Order: sequence, then structure tokens, then C-alpha cells
Amino acid sequence: EPEVTQTPSHQVTQMGQEVILRCVPISNHLYFYWYRQILGQKVEFLVSFYNNEISEKSEIFDDQFSVERPDGSNFTLKIRSTKLEDSAMYFCASGMGGGATSSFFGPGTRLTVL
Amino acid sequence: GNSVTQMEGPVTLSEEAFLTINCTYTATGYPSLFWYVQYPGEGLQLLLKATKADDKGSNKGFEATYRKETTSFHLEKGSVQVSDSAVYFCALRDLRAGNTPLVFGKGTRLSVIA
Repeated sequence: EPEVTQTPSHQVTQMGQEVILRCVPISNHLYFYWYRQILGQKVEFLVSFYNNEISEKSEIFDDQFSVERPDGSNFTLKIRSTKLEDSAMYFCASGMGGGATSSFFGPGTRLTVL
Repeated sequence: GNSVTQMEGPVTLSEEAFLTINCTYTATGYPSLFWYVQYPGEGLQLLLKATKADDKGSNKGFEATYRKETTSFHLEKGSVQVSDSAVYFCALRDLRAGNTPLVFGKGTRLSVIA
């Protein structure tokens, strides 16, 4: 069964450093998402991506964040200058789109900012 | 805006007990509704979904019925097992066309003891 994969599973970084989180969505999906979950809190939407551009973003997704689909398979989230409060689990998801369809989530990358 | 409210956890049950996790929603449109489950140390997995009023989603013994009149999507299982211990998230997706993100509730932690 196809699945969304994410690397690395755990990333530790120093405050102010840049990090890139990588995702490989399910191959025939058209819509891609990043969500995050701060420890013990709810899952929050960051950004959605379709047709090689951002289609929607939340207030969390400020100028420190960027997304890219550099080739036909990878989907990346970059945080330019990490802050302590960026420590969270970051989930990538993909789907065929449309309100009735499901999103399929990757296992997540745990980002720890020291 | 759209929002999801879940009952506060944690919920602790004995094996074979009946489970209900309440979920209500607020939506400007006519959303699809989902339950996702997060097992310890893992990512989010779709448990079940319903896309229109009176639809019942079911999977692995869990059920939830889309109740438009009460704006609810309560999760139920007749007899829980230790392996059901996880965090359960209720979510909605707006049925606007195209690429809409999921809106999650805060999650309810379920612990089932033998």
C-alpha cells in the first residue's frame, strides 16, 4: 500500500539554524500539506500546495517558512532561522483534493530546537 | 470560521468497556468529517470518515455518525481493547472546491487497561 514518507524522523538543531524537512507524498496525489503538532497540543495546519504553488497558508506560516517541490517526488519544508517555539512534530500529508477526500499523513519529523 | 471541539481527556477504560468520544463542530459550509488516530510514537492514521448527513463511517469496530442537526460526529466502539490505546482526533474539511486543509480538534487520549 502506498504511503507518505518523511525524513529525518528526528532533527535536533541550534536556534537560528536553517532546517529542511523532507517528504515524499503518494505518487498520484495532487495536493500536499504540512501540519505541525507541538507536544501535547492539537495538530495545526501550516500550508497547502497544489500545482507548484502555495494554495493556502495559516498565520503560523510566516516569512521564516517556505515550501518547495523541487522534483516530481519530494516536497520540502524549510525553516530559515529556527526558534525554540518551532520545536514540534511536523507532519506531511497528501491527497487527491476535494472536501470529501482523505489526507494521508506521513509518520512525522520531530524537530527539537535547542 | 470552522472549528472542532472534542471532549477533554484522558479517558481510561477497562478492556471490553464501551467507548464514546464526543465531537462537535462549527462550519460555515457543509463539511466532511473524519476521525484520525495516533498510536504512541506514530503519525496520524485515518480511522473513518463521513461525507454527508446521516452517513455512518466505520472501521476496526469504531463507528461515527454524521449528525447535521446536532453538528456532531461522536466516535463509539462497543468493546475496546488494550491495543486501542491512542490519541483520537476529530477533524473536518470544508467542501469548498479544491485544496482545503483539515481542521483538527485537540485530541482525546484513550488508555485501555487489561
